Amino acid sequence: GAVVSQHPSRVICKSGTSVKIECRSLDFQATTMFWYRQFPKQSLMLMATSNEGSKATYEQGVEKDKFLINHASLTLSTLTVTSAHPEDSSFYICSATRGAGGRETQYFGPGTRLLVL
Amino acid sequence: DAKTTQPPSMDCAEGRAANLPCNHSTISGNEYVYWYRQIHSQGPQYIIHGLKNNETNEMASLIITEDRKSSTLILPHATLRDTAVYYCIAYHGSGNTGKLIFGQGTTLQVKP
Repeated sequence: GAVVSQHPSRVICKSGTSVKIECRSLDFQATTMFWYRQFPKQSLMLMATSNEGSKATYEQGVEKDKFLINHASLTLSTLTVTSAHPEDSSFYICSATRGAGGRETQYFGPGTRLLVL
Repeated sequence: DAKTTQPPSMDCAEGRAANLPCNHSTISGNEYVYWYRQIHSQGPQYIIHGLKNNETNEMASLIITEDRKSSTLILPHATLRDTAVYYCIAYHGSGNTGKLIFGQGTTLQVKP
């Protein structure tokens, strides 16, 4: 299947700092990428849709000024957690859409584990 | 997107077939049934998807009922590495703008 990478795989930061997470589609171009968050023993929660060349679309309850998304190219989307606090500690996962119509499939990255102290 | 219902957990003996059910009684005509799985501390892995015909690939088979209100994912010979949370999602892609909404899934435990 298609390959999506994330960097870093894990990060520890101090409260109040900002953290940037990168999501790359390695062998295909993706006009749309998605960002999810997952807390322990819970399912994935969609945070936002990242659109290449335009503003991201955020799900209800997700603060766009706190979770900055940039989709600068067809293979790269970044999520920046600004002024991180301990409650932002979570597993962040991105996905990228490949194909169209009935052959459309989302492929997921390996995730980034964020710990805010 | 239509809501799906899955049992919270299932066990399966190693080497036997694992049959994971999913109900999607409100699925619309243009929604596909997608299956993903998530092994602990990893990103979800795509398994298979279908619209109304049964599908098979190297990982699994997908059986969709004629009325499309339910489906079953079949892992023909489960191994210990198939232990994971399996998600069934009804999804309409709509030109790369569709969103995958994850429910709680089924935790499959494959036992030796």
